[in-house]
Amino acid sequence: KQEVTQIPAALSVPEGENLVLNCSFTDSAIYNLQWFRQDPGKGLTSLLLIQSSQREQTSGRLNASLDKSSGRSTLYIAASQPGDSATYLCAVRLGNNNDMRFGAGTRLTVKP
Amino acid sequence: DGGITQSPKYLFRKEGQNVTLSCEQNLNHDAMYWYRQDPGQGLRLIYYSQIVNDFQKGDIAEGYSVSREKKESFPLTVTSAQKNPTAFYLCASSIAGRSAYGYTFGSGTRLTVV
Repeated sequence: KQEVTQIPAALSVPEGENLVLNCSFTDSAIYNLQWFRQDPGKGLTSLLLIQSSQREQTSGRLNASLDKSSGRSTLYIAASQPGDSATYLCAVRLGNNNDMRFGAGTRLTVKP
Repeated sequence: DGGITQSPKYLFRKEGQNVTLSCEQNLNHDAMYWYRQDPGQGLRLIYYSQIVNDFQKGDIAEGYSVSREKKESFPLTVTSAQKNPTAFYLCASSIAGRSAYGYTFGSGTRLTVV
């Protein structure tokens, strides 16, 4: 069974700092991996999706990387802003007919 | 705009009562999913459906039921058999057979037992 772990559980940084969020998974035979953002009491917003054949994806200040062999993905946020404060969730999918497995998330606080 | 609509946003259930959470999508997605989120935990799968009139149990299906009579709709019923239903419920959808596409989520329903 696929297990997804996110470390750290919470992170607080000053505004402007670059930061990295980590995601690890136990089964490397993944179909794709998706990073989401969740604001308090809200649904999940997709940030980036990496297919199994890809190594990274970028969107604005966000860059997500994937290393299947080591079972790891990182989400890099450049020049963090207070508006980036949210919980970030990583999810992996094993196959087309499989559901996604989620980590518990990293709660990020960016202080002005 | 295409998206997933969940209703209601807040729902209160009395002991022994069944309640139904609505999930509607206009994305023309084949697959739909229901997840439960508890504080400090990741999302856990309740039920999912790949096509109309077919659905499968997820990891925590006990005390829940679903139907998929239309492609656009995937309602979730929380029955009285679910002993601890207070949680945040999220509905998602996806395109089948395309690894370039991930999940799209609704805004969630917060269910509280009173």
